[in-house]
Parts: sequence; structure tokens; C-alpha cells
Amino acid sequence: QKEVEQDPGPLSVPEGAIVSLNCTYSNSAFQYFMWYRQYSRKGPELLMYTYSSGNKEDGRFTAQVDKSSKYISLFIRDSQPSDSATYLCAMTTGNQFYFGTGTSLTVIP
Amino acid sequence: DSGVTQTPKHLITATGQRVTLRCSPRSGDLSVYWYQQSLDQGLQFLIQYYNGEERAKGNILERFSAQQFPDLHSELNLSSLELGDSALYFCASSVGDGTNEKLFFGSGTQLSVL
Repeated sequence: QKEVEQDPGPLSVPEGAIVSLNCTYSNSAFQYFMWYRQYSRKGPELLMYTYSSGNKEDGRFTAQVDKSSKYISLFIRDSQPSDSATYLCAMTTGNQFYFGTGTSLTVIP
Repeated sequence: DSGVTQTPKHLITATGQRVTLRCSPRSGDLSVYWYQQSLDQGLQFLIQYYNGEERAKGNILERFSAQQFPDLHSELNLSSLELGDSALYFCASSVGDGTNEKLFFGSGTQLSVL
């Protein structure tokens, strides 16, 4: 079993839709959770960084962590064509980072 | 712009050759990480250096080596290249040793082995 599981998609939504991206994990020692956005053949860009269970909001993005279920989500409201990218979840315990394989998202104008 | 600089952006070489990838971390960051990303794989952790010393090692082949210099820039050396080494190679940096820290990625080096 992989440490971090992420549905690769692809996910295709119309502009303005709410997008939900999810990851599950198996290691209860993970403490910090991140979401990265990666445009094609570019470097991953840090979007959200959270610690505790609950929600964290930044503009159109909301990161949700449920440690009891070992489940994290990224919600994108009012999705835009510029949100079309691959979204990677990541988590860390100590100085070890574990990445999901990424979910490919396309927002159709 | 993350502040992490990688050169070159693209590299085309032949099997059996040796190449060097370079990374400059964000100003003040002490750790440098190297990752490999292939089309059919996610981000594969290769190695981490912290303040000049090797800190953690991942799935790095023996043909690959890295170092971090006193000015904190890092180089990843890939030798006896094979077709399967073709991939995107990313460098990332963090402020300290990585414990509960954020990773910031460079824009990557696209390596094509022909």
C-alpha cells in the first residue's frame, strides 16, 4: 500500500464549477499537509499548507484535513480555465515528504 | 517565481554520457532536495542535502550523485546515462532541515537521453 493515494483523474469540469480533489493516506504520523499545483512541464507550486484537522481558506481555494479518516481535500470554487493543471497532495512527518501522483484537472471555458 | 533556480532548462544527450544539473536554492534556505518525475511516475525523491551534508537518500541510482557546495548551491551528476533516465529533474529547497517545513520547487531540467 502506498503511503499516499491520489486519484489520477483526469477530471474535466465546466468553468465556474466547484472542484473537489482528494487524497488518502495510511500513516497516522503525518502532521503537515500541502497541495501543489503543477502546470505542464513546470515546477510544482505550493498552494496550501495546513497542520490541524479542519479547513483553511485562501481565496478560491479551501484545504480540508480529516486526520481521523486520514483524508485530505482541496476545493476550488468558481473554477477558471487557468486552474487547469495537475494537483499534487503532499504530506510530511519529520523531514520526510510524501507526494501523491497528482490529479489532472481541465476547466472547460 | 519560487526563488529556486535550476539550469539548464533542457538537456539532450546520448546514452552512456554524463551530465550535471545545477540548482540554487532560495536565499537563506539551507536544504536542497532532488526529485525525478517521469511521465508514468510521480515525484520520486532522490536525495536531500542540508547545509552541505547529505541528510536523506531516496531512490537514487548508484550512477547518480549529488553534492552541496559551501555557497549552498547543489549539483546532481548523472552518469552512464540510459534511455530510462529521460525525465524532468526538479530541485526544491527548504529553510532548515525540512522538519515540518514547506518545500519550494524550481522549474526543472528536462533531460532527454537519445
